[in-house]
Amino acid sequence: AIRITQSPSSLSASTGDRVTITCRASQGISSYLAWYQQKPGKAPKLLIYAASTLQSGVPSRFSGSGSGTDFTLTISCLQSEDFATYYCQQYYSYPWTFGQGTKVEIK
Amino acid sequence: QVQLVESGGGVVQPGRSLRLSCAASGFTFSSYGMHWVRQAPGKGLEWVAVISYDGSNKYYADSVKGRFTISRDNSKNTLYLQMNSLRAEDTAVYYCASSMVRGVIYDAFDIWGQGTMVTVSS
Repeated sequence: AIRITQSPSSLSASTGDRVTITCRASQGISSYLAWYQQKPGKAPKLLIYAASTLQSGVPSRFSGSGSGTDFTLTISCLQSEDFATYYCQQYYSYPWTFGQGTKVEIK
Repeated sequence: QVQLVESGGGVVQPGRSLRLSCAASGFTFSSYGMHWVRQAPGKGLEWVAVISYDGSNKYYADSVKGRFTISRDNSKNTLYLQMNSLRAEDTAVYYCASSMVRGVIYDAFDIWGQGTMVTVSS
């Protein structure tokens, strides 16, 4: 199985900050990577797919980059509604695997 | 309105069975691969199983292989997860989710249900 290592596991930031979360795959997955946002008690929400394509309706302050094994999610100007947990996921091969999650908290 | 609604969760004793359902509406359910994903309390997301749009292909996580069965009834726009020989470690919120692109299972999940809680405890 492809392992996804996501970092950091948590971070504290202020509204307006630029935030970066990284995921590293244990083998190349081309651009078959998605990013999800999850708020407490809610289902995950797709933010980005194909490593860098913004899902419809997602604010442009979210962006993704990378290919192969190294990927990044960037929130350019953190808003109050962005405090949540973020997960990356590879869908290159079975079994589908998720990163461990990054909890973005208010500083 | 595009949505998935899970049902069937509850409290069950170890070793017993439970069947989850996921009712789809607002999109052509029969054209999309469907997944089950679970989340143990306070933990991350774990993929559980997938079924292709026509039910011809099914894959499972090692942790549930041989115990869980995914199926679908396209005439009823419903996805199922039959869970047998349940263990305490199966305790989680179970989400159903849809692949983004018609006919594809190696894809991101763009539609998620609200989840149903399964608690395995004596």
